[in-house]
Amino acid sequence: AQSVTQPDIHITVSEGASLELRCNYSYGATPYLFWYVQSPGQGLQLLLKYFSGDTLVQGIKGFEAEFKRSQSSFNLRKPSVHWSDAAEYFCAVGVPDSWGKLQFGAGTQVVVTP
Amino acid sequence: GAVVSQHPSRVICKSGTSVKIECRSLDFQATTMFWYRQFPKKSLMLMATSNEGSKATYEQGVEKDKFLINHASLTLSTLTVTSAHPEDSSFYICSAKGLAYEQYFGPGTRLTVT
Repeated sequence: AQSVTQPDIHITVSEGASLELRCNYSYGATPYLFWYVQSPGQGLQLLLKYFSGDTLVQGIKGFEAEFKRSQSSFNLRKPSVHWSDAAEYFCAVGVPDSWGKLQFGAGTQVVVTP
Repeated sequence: GAVVSQHPSRVICKSGTSVKIECRSLDFQATTMFWYRQFPKKSLMLMATSNEGSKATYEQGVEKDKFLINHASLTLSTLTVTSAHPEDSSFYICSAKGLAYEQYFGPGTRLTVT
């Protein structure tokens, strides 16, 4: 069965510093990969997605993610965080031909300090 | 584009009553919608997959008679929590599947059963 692991439950980062959120998946083939962000009390917003092709994916709000097949990883990065980036971040995996169902990781809460 | 709305955003109901939550895709047609439940500081739990014009597919452990899902049109899916009890209190989020497999999420509905 497929699984998604976000090893870091909580990350604190200073404003202006770089951020990297880890995501590992377990699946026999290359799944569809997504990163979503959730602000408190809100729904989820899609940051970026990977289906195939270039392994470095650019998203919204200055985020990027890199797919590494050898490591079964899809880590999210941002070079310089802003206070507004404080939120919960979810990595998700979709299995092709499964009606579009996604499996979500446990999430990483990002706190931004001044 | 790709906006999904939910109504209501918050609802309080008495134990034993039923509550209906609406999920609408505002600027695109969605043949497939999903309903999730999210507990505080937890990830999203998929409850069911809703396909327009057909019966919903429920995840294991989700009571289909308690959580009634109807997807009557390409832009509207509804979740009715029947005979609600305090343990049904939660944050319910819907999503609509886009053409390229990604999901677009509504802002969520906070249900409190007293």
